[in-house]
Amino acid sequence: QQQVKQSPQSLIVQKGGIPIINCAYENTAFDYFPWYQQFPGKGPALLIAIRPDVSEKKEGRFTISFNKSAKQFSLHIMDSQPGDSATYFCAPRHFQKLVFGTGTRLLVSP
Amino acid sequence: SAVISQKPSRDICQRGTSLTIQCQVDSQVTMMFWYRQQPGQSLTLIATANQGSEATYESGFVIDKFPISRPNLTFSTLTVSNMSPEDSSIYLCSVGTGGAYDEQFFGPGTRLTVL
Repeated sequence: QQQVKQSPQSLIVQKGGIPIINCAYENTAFDYFPWYQQFPGKGPALLIAIRPDVSEKKEGRFTISFNKSAKQFSLHIMDSQPGDSATYFCAPRHFQKLVFGTGTRLLVSP
Repeated sequence: SAVISQKPSRDICQRGTSLTIQCQVDSQVTMMFWYRQQPGQSLTLIATANQGSEATYESGFVIDKFPISRPNLTFSTLTVSNMSPEDSSIYLCSVGTGGAYDEQFFGPGTRLTVL
């Protein structure tokens, strides 16, 4: 089962807020859990990723939390800025193939 | 990371025609992939472009409609054949770097509109 469910579909936060985007999956064979950021007219850019043997990873203002038993992982954006307004995709990997979630459109208001 | 370019960046085509999209990487990579992103939607994997052999297609995609070539480790093409308006999408090339985490990086995409 390759289904990947991402929530929420859209999100509006004020500058400085902490948006949280969630991703739930079924396939326990996924071995790598990245988040991608996509701006309009651009290809997705790798933002941050985690391996399943780690429960949390921080890179700058971005944090992934991983819950293997619940088959969920989430993206937290600390001190969000208007420049973070974009669409975010989780894309867990199986046999080098990414399975993209449905996407979350984030708007950070000034 | 890898620097990936795609040509053309966008095109408008008539139904029934074909368009070939090129993907060029600035370094040799093991894995190359082609994705489709319909307007406002997520990304769907079309196929894995294998160097020296036929591409591996995902369910719902066939070689006659989306022939793929990969003549070397830095270049691939995707052809969208006998186009219909339903083929209007963004087509994206991605590469796997084969590093410790084998991250995948994406090109800028080709925006195709079929009239």
